This record gives sequence, structure tokens and C-alpha cells, in this order.
Amino acid sequence: IAGITQAPTSQILAAGRRMTLRCTQDMRHNAMYWYRQDLGLGLRLIHYSNTAGTTGKGEVPDGYSVSRANTDDFPLTLASAVPSQTSVYFCASSSGATTEQFFGPGTRLTVL
Amino acid sequence: GQNIDQPTEMTATEGAIVQINCTYQTSGFNGLFWYQQHAGEAPTFLSYNVLDGLEEKGRFSSFLSRSKGYSYLLLKELQMKDSASYLCATMDSNYQLIWGAGTKLIIKP
Repeated sequence: IAGITQAPTSQILAAGRRMTLRCTQDMRHNAMYWYRQDLGLGLRLIHYSNTAGTTGKGEVPDGYSVSRANTDDFPLTLASAVPSQTSVYFCASSSGATTEQFFGPGTRLTVL
Repeated sequence: GQNIDQPTEMTATEGAIVQINCTYQTSGFNGLFWYQQHAGEAPTFLSYNVLDGLEEKGRFSSFLSRSKGYSYLLLKELQMKDSASYLCATMDSNYQLIWGAGTKLIIKP
């Protein structure tokens, strides 16, 4: 693994289904983030984690949950998907609060 | 409230210079970032300004005026590969990034 990876690359999901988006980084970064990106809008922060074992809510956390059991992994779960969660989801990591964020390749999610 | 404004789209000619502006209003300020995002790809870091002034990095420069809530990204000697969206983001008092919607830059030969 080099950098930050996400899986799956894309997914079509029926409304009401549960889905977990995976994110793994090998840079030993303390901080990790989940964003969604929608056409015409800026990236919006869903949840973040400043260090393993801690998580926090971002701007648009409703309908999503995260966990940070270790430094490398930061999965995002949609408990019961709805069409408004159709978006491109980016995971990112950084070594510190004011340092640049490195982004994964993204997951394109469509909820029907 | 928190707000980031940047033009939706700009067009420039290969070899020319273009300036992409960003104005912001945020609760607290811990710096301003510029990222580049090619279509269908992830954003990649370009620059970070926390003090007033110009930061130069090769063909790209970024300027910040904290008193005016204003920044710009200057791209010189434009190349076709510079066609991308350029995202402005400020870091607020909670060290979270607030993102603009991005400026799509179209480079014409």
C-alpha cells in the first residue's frame, strides 16, 4: 500500500441497505477525515478522527458513523442508505492539524 | 457564518498567466489552502498560507491578505495539464477545513 486507499471504487446501493466504505493509510498519520463531494458544492466534512480511538462530527454527520480502532483504518458506515447520500466520498489523512491533507481516490456511491 | 467564494469557471490560454481569487469569512482562521483536482480524481495539495504575503512554488504562487479575507492563486506559463478545478479552503478555529465549491479552469491552445 502506498499512501491512502479506499474501497470500493464505486457502488450502486438500494435505499435502506447498510454500507461500509473502507479507508486505509500507511503513512502513520494521526488525523483522518471523511468528506463528501457533490456537484456545485465544496467538499463537506462528515466525520473526523484526530487520533486512534477518538472521533468527531463534522458539518454533515447525520446518517453516517465512523470508528477508529487503529491508526491505519477509518471506515465510514451508512446504517440505512437514502438517495440523498448519493455522492463521491473522499477519505483523507494528515500528520497534524495544520498540515496538508492527503486524499484517497474516492468512492462513487449511488443510492437508488 | 462561514463562507468561501471563488469563481465557478475561468478560461485561459496556454502559455499565459491566470489568477484565481478566493474570498472568505470564517469563524477563526488557521490558514488557507489551495488544492488542485483533475476531473474524476482526488484533490492534491498545492499551497498553504497562514501569514500575509506571497508564497512562490515554481509556476504556482499563492497570496494571502488576512485583513481583507482574500487570497489568490497565480498560475504562470499555463500548460494544458493545468486544466482542472482549483479548490480554496480555510482552516477554522476548530482546525477543520471549510471548502469553496472550486474554480474550473479551462486551458485553450
